[in-house]
Amino acid sequence: RKEVEQDPGPFNVPEGATVAFNCTYSNSASQSFFWYRQDCRKEPKLLMSVYSSGNEDGRFTAQLNRASQYISLLIRDSKLSDSATYLCVVFTGNQFYFGTGTSLTVIP
Amino acid sequence: EPEVTQTPSHQVTQMGQEVILRCVPISNHLYFYWYRQILGQKVEFLVSFYNNEISEKSEIFDDQFSVERPDGSNFTLKIRSTKLEDSAMYFCASSDSPATDTQYFGPGTRLTVL
Repeated sequence: RKEVEQDPGPFNVPEGATVAFNCTYSNSASQSFFWYRQDCRKEPKLLMSVYSSGNEDGRFTAQLNRASQYISLLIRDSKLSDSATYLCVVFTGNQFYFGTGTSLTVIP
Repeated sequence: EPEVTQTPSHQVTQMGQEVILRCVPISNHLYFYWYRQILGQKVEFLVSFYNNEISEKSEIFDDQFSVERPDGSNFTLKIRSTKLEDSAMYFCASSDSPATDTQYFGPGTRLTVL
């Protein structure tokens, strides 16, 4: 079973739309959770950490449900510059596990 | 803003050769990592390094691989006897606190094994 699973998409949404990504993880002992963004052939960059209480950073909202082992990312008012692959990352034991990523294209 | 740098940006080598990928982590960071990403696939953890020793390694990181911090600034990944399937993007990352904190990734080295 994969440590981290994501819907690969692609998601193609118009500018201004709201889009949600989901991620599940297999190990209930996982300790920390993150969303990273990766542009084509570039390095991953941290978008935000994810907390059980939920956290928001501008147009981005992340949520963690430990009981369901589920992580979400909501992007409101999508911009063209949001087009990228969004990686769900889980820290378990002493390793970071990356999902395969969800591809987002925001269309003018 | 401080950043992680990696050299070279692209390395082409013949199967069976040894390569050394170099990274300069952010200067006050103490925790260092190597990851690889095969084209079209997910980012995979290889190894973490702290206090001049490996703190964790994945099953991918076998005897073919080694890491070293030869001086106060560089962090290297050596791949011995490269195989075709070693072709991938290799990312170095560093952080200033135990592994649950933010990691900063370098731009990566694209390794092509012919």
